[in-house]
Amino acid sequence: DAGVTQSPTHLIKTRGQQVTLRCSPKSGHDTVSWYQQALGQGPQFIFQYYEEEERQRGNFPDRFSGHQFPNYSSELNVNALLLGDSALYLCASSLDLGSLNTEAFFGQGTRLTVV
Amino acid sequence: DQQVKQNSPSLSVQEGRISILNCDYTNSMFDYFLWYKKYPAEGPTFLISISSIKDKNEDGRFTVFLNKSAKHLSLHIVPSQPGDSAVYFCAAPTPLYGGATNKLIFGTGTLLAVQP
Repeated sequence: DAGVTQSPTHLIKTRGQQVTLRCSPKSGHDTVSWYQQALGQGPQFIFQYYEEEERQRGNFPDRFSGHQFPNYSSELNVNALLLGDSALYLCASSLDLGSLNTEAFFGQGTRLTVV
Repeated sequence: DQQVKQNSPSLSVQEGRISILNCDYTNSMFDYFLWYKKYPAEGPTFLISISSIKDKNEDGRFTVFLNKSAKHLSLHIVPSQPGDSAVYFCAAPTPLYGGATNKLIFGTGTLLAVQP
């Protein structure tokens, strides 16, 4: 089992550009959540995808968007990049069992640097 | 609004001694807590959890204590080993989508360094 895989691992972009980050969930998982971890902070929830739809999003602007594919993999898109978007972006997958306390498994993250 | 707080950014402990990592929370609706461990260049990995119906949960060298009245939990590692050196995050799931799923509210993390 490959676990949660994210690509790329590192990325450098220029302010104003757009970026797409990718995530393949753990085998058998159908729910993908994205988190942003800024330097010195804990991960912050961006949004969650299930059945190809965004379920709920955190306090992030519309520049952050996503997509989930029929195979449950997911993309995170960020438009009009700002310097403050520099962070580690984490993908977490889980299985929707209708339980509040379902365990989430994290990928290794994509380190995005905006210059 | 930091609902989960880890006030110690770092902790240094000698190998073989006890490591105690602390976490405070403000939301009394939280009823389940998790600790994640994160090595550099890796994602967080689940370590141990505790439900609010318990005040202690133990798994090998790791024990988590929960004090609901104080809204405080702590992770004890004994004996500490150099391989335990990592960032430890306290997290609480909060309901999404009518309670059918959750998002995690994380603390800011504590960097543990276990000295040989």
